[in-house]
Amino acid sequence: KQEVTQIPAALSVPEGENLVLNCSFTDSAIYNLQWFRQDPGKGLTSLLLIQSSQREQTSGRLNASLDKSSGRSTLYIAASQPGDSATYLCAPRGSGGYQKVTFGIGTKLQVIP
Amino acid sequence: DAGVIQSPRHEVTEMGQEVTLRCKPISGHNSLFWYRQTMMRGLELLIYFNNNVPIDDSGMPEDRFSAKMPNASFSTLKIQPSEPRDSAVYFCASKEQGLFTEAFFGQGTRLTVV
Repeated sequence: KQEVTQIPAALSVPEGENLVLNCSFTDSAIYNLQWFRQDPGKGLTSLLLIQSSQREQTSGRLNASLDKSSGRSTLYIAASQPGDSATYLCAPRGSGGYQKVTFGIGTKLQVIP
Repeated sequence: DAGVIQSPRHEVTEMGQEVTLRCKPISGHNSLFWYRQTMMRGLELLIYFNNNVPIDDSGMPEDRFSAKMPNASFSTLKIQPSEPRDSAVYFCASKEQGLFTEAFFGQGTRLTVV
């Protein structure tokens, strides 16, 4: 059974800082990994999808890396802004069966102006 | 496309009542997922449909929960009878067939059972 851990659970940083969110998963047999953002009271918004054959994926100020063999992914946010405040969720997709997606609890980020 | 559409957005009901949550996936998506989100357990997969057929319902917590997908554009999650511990946010997500496609989530239904 896939288990996903995200560290830290919560993070508070001043505006402008670069930051790293960590995700680890126990089963390295994955097809891809998706990072989501969730604003309070809202649904999930997909940020990046990184395939198992990729090492990195970039979108604007966001960069996701994947080390499949060690079961780790990081989400790097450059020059953080107050609008980045949200909960960030990591979701690896397994390669067995029907490729089930398992979510971490998330990292709650607050960027202080 | 308007994205995954869920209704209602909020539902407050009394213990013992039947609750029905609705989902309209993105047109052309043939995989549909129902998730439940709580503070303690995060996002948990309840059931997964592929081409309208339930593939994995091992996450459905009890027989009080049931889900249907009568056609490609509509799914329901029903709780009967509802209990206070069912209070959570329920999300529906859909995706296209394929290994390299991403999932899109609805805005969720916040259920409160009193």
